[in-house]
Amino acid sequence: GAVVSQHPSWVICKSGTSVKIECRSLDFQATTMFWYRQFPKQSLMLMATSNEGSKATYEQGVEKDKFLINHASLTLSTLTVTSAHPEDSSFYICSAGGDGFNNSPLHFGNGTRLTVT
Amino acid sequence: DAKTTQPTSMDCAEGRAANLPCNHSTISGNEYVYWYRQIHSQGPQYIIHGLKNNETNEMASLIITEDRKSSTLILPHATLRDTAVYYCIVRVGSSNTGKLIFGQGTTLQVKP
Repeated sequence: GAVVSQHPSWVICKSGTSVKIECRSLDFQATTMFWYRQFPKQSLMLMATSNEGSKATYEQGVEKDKFLINHASLTLSTLTVTSAHPEDSSFYICSAGGDGFNNSPLHFGNGTRLTVT
Repeated sequence: DAKTTQPTSMDCAEGRAANLPCNHSTISGNEYVYWYRQIHSQGPQYIIHGLKNNETNEMASLIITEDRKSSTLILPHATLRDTAVYYCIVRVGSSNTGKLIFGQGTTLQVKP
């Protein structure tokens, strides 16, 4: 089945620094990838839709200058949390789809746990 | 906002069928119903999806009512490893770019 890989699986950074998270589709080409954030005991919240070769579309309330998304190829999207603060500590998850068929399911990475100290 | 409502939690005995209900009364004609589950600290795992016909795969069965306003996910023989949060999602849009908006899901506890 389709595999989506995220790296790193966990990261600890100091307040004020930036962190980059990678999301790769390993065995298919993903024209669209999605980024989510999940706080403890809460559901996944969609942050943005990442389209290959174009600017990402952000959900309402998500700061595009803080969460930089790049989707430079059909197999890689990156999320950079800039000037991270403790309140950015969360579980970040990406998903990707696109085996060419309408309504093919989206597949999720295993998430990246970010802790900002 | 999520277009589905699910019970907050359910229990199921190991080896028995787990039937997880979902209401999606505002679903549009071309919107699919998707089911995912999330085991603690992992990414969501795809289970099954459907439009209007019942669907079955190696993991589960999906029963969609004729008016499409509700559906039921059936795990035929639940095991302890099926303990997870189950999300019923109406996918926005009908193409590969359609996004998934997660609600609160149902926490299924499978008990020995």
